[in-house]
Amino acid sequence: AQSVTQLGSHVSVSEGALVLLRCNYSSSVPPYLFWYVQYPNQGLQLLLKYTSAATLVKGINGFEAEFKKSETSFHLTKPSAHMSDAAEYFCAVKEGVEKTSYDKVIFGPGTSLSVIP
Amino acid sequence: DGGITQSPKYLFRKEGQNVTLSCEQNLNHDAMYWYRQDPGQGLRLIYYSQIVNDFQKGDIAEGYSVSREKKESFPLTVTSAQKNPTAFYLCASTHLRGAEAFFGQGTRLTVV
Repeated sequence: AQSVTQLGSHVSVSEGALVLLRCNYSSSVPPYLFWYVQYPNQGLQLLLKYTSAATLVKGINGFEAEFKKSETSFHLTKPSAHMSDAAEYFCAVKEGVEKTSYDKVIFGPGTSLSVIP
Repeated sequence: DGGITQSPKYLFRKEGQNVTLSCEQNLNHDAMYWYRQDPGQGLRLIYYSQIVNDFQKGDIAEGYSVSREKKESFPLTVTSAQKNPTAFYLCASTHLRGAEAFFGQGTRLTVV
């Protein structure tokens, strides 16, 4: 069964510092992996996705993530945090041979990122 | 612009009332989903639908009902049987072979 773990429910970084949000997954088949961002009282917006092409994935707003099969990880990073990065971040996994809409997506519990001026 | 529209943004329900949350998409997506979000628990799947006139229960369907009469619309009814309905509700959609889901802006439901 697939599952997603996000280490750290709250992460604080200083403005300009490296952002690292951790995500580990379990999946019985090669998965699709996603990072979403959510601002207060809003829906989720896709930051980036891994769909079995390049293992280093670049997304919007300067974020990137690296798929490491051996570590079953998909950590999200950004070299320099901005105040506008303060939000909730969700990692998600989708498995299934065909990867269609019939395949379930499992979301992690989320990590709240605070950026300190 | 294409997207998913949820309404209302805020909704208040009295004890014992049924309320219906609207979700409309103009992305021509096949599948639509309803999630419930509570603090610290991530997203939990309530119902989903792959095609018109067909839908399946998710992980927490008790106390909820849905319909899918049109491809564009997937309303969620929170019934009086749902004992703890206060939460943030998110609607999403995908193509049949799409990778990621697209989300609406959410409806915050509060029991008063």
